[in-house]
Amino acid sequence: GENVEQHPSTLSVQEGDSAVIKCTYSDSASNYFPWYKQELGKRPQLIIDIRSNVGEKKDQRIAVTLNKTAKHFSLHITETQPEDSAVYFCAAGYNKFYFGSGTKLNVKP
Amino acid sequence: EAQVTQNPRYLITVTGKKLTVTCSQNMNHEYMSWYRQDPGLGLRQIYYSMNVEVTDKGDVPEGYKVSRKEKRNFPLILESPSPNQTSLYFCASSLSDGVSSYNEQFFGPGTRLTVL
Repeated sequence: GENVEQHPSTLSVQEGDSAVIKCTYSDSASNYFPWYKQELGKRPQLIIDIRSNVGEKKDQRIAVTLNKTAKHFSLHITETQPEDSAVYFCAAGYNKFYFGSGTKLNVKP
Repeated sequence: EAQVTQNPRYLITVTGKKLTVTCSQNMNHEYMSWYRQDPGLGLRQIYYSMNVEVTDKGDVPEGYKVSRKEKRNFPLILESPSPNQTSLYFCASSLSDGVSSYNEQFFGPGTRLTVL
């Protein structure tokens, strides 16, 4: 089956800096790669996603890149703000989904 | 309001006592799924359903059952719960074309289950 690895497990940045979270996957059949943000005690919420026929997608301060050949995808957050502090999960799949173990992002004011 | 609802939100039970966690969505989504979340392990998929009467195993299906008799409902059944099923459970739904589900999954609020 699929194996999704996510790094780093924790990330601390200064407000205004950029943050990058990386994920790798193993199953070349995976064609959908969402990123979820989960605040403490809340449900996961989608922040951005990318399909396998696209290499990059951007939504304001958030961007995702996908390298199908290398089987890795990354989340980029620019101009970080304290409200970006949360746990971020990557996932990969097509109808069966596998999640990374999460990255706890702390943005220091 | 478009939403996914789960009940109960909190449940403490004892080993072996059958229980059902309900999940309902009002968005007419074809795809529904159950996940469990444990510290350090992220979310792991238990079962998913591409449409009514179509269910399939996720990554960790052992000890769980599901059914999809109606499009809006996808209950999770633990016939003989054990302490290792103590976890936070999320139901989710999304649009699907019947082959793949490459659309945003909307998550329910979660059910925190403790099995003593």
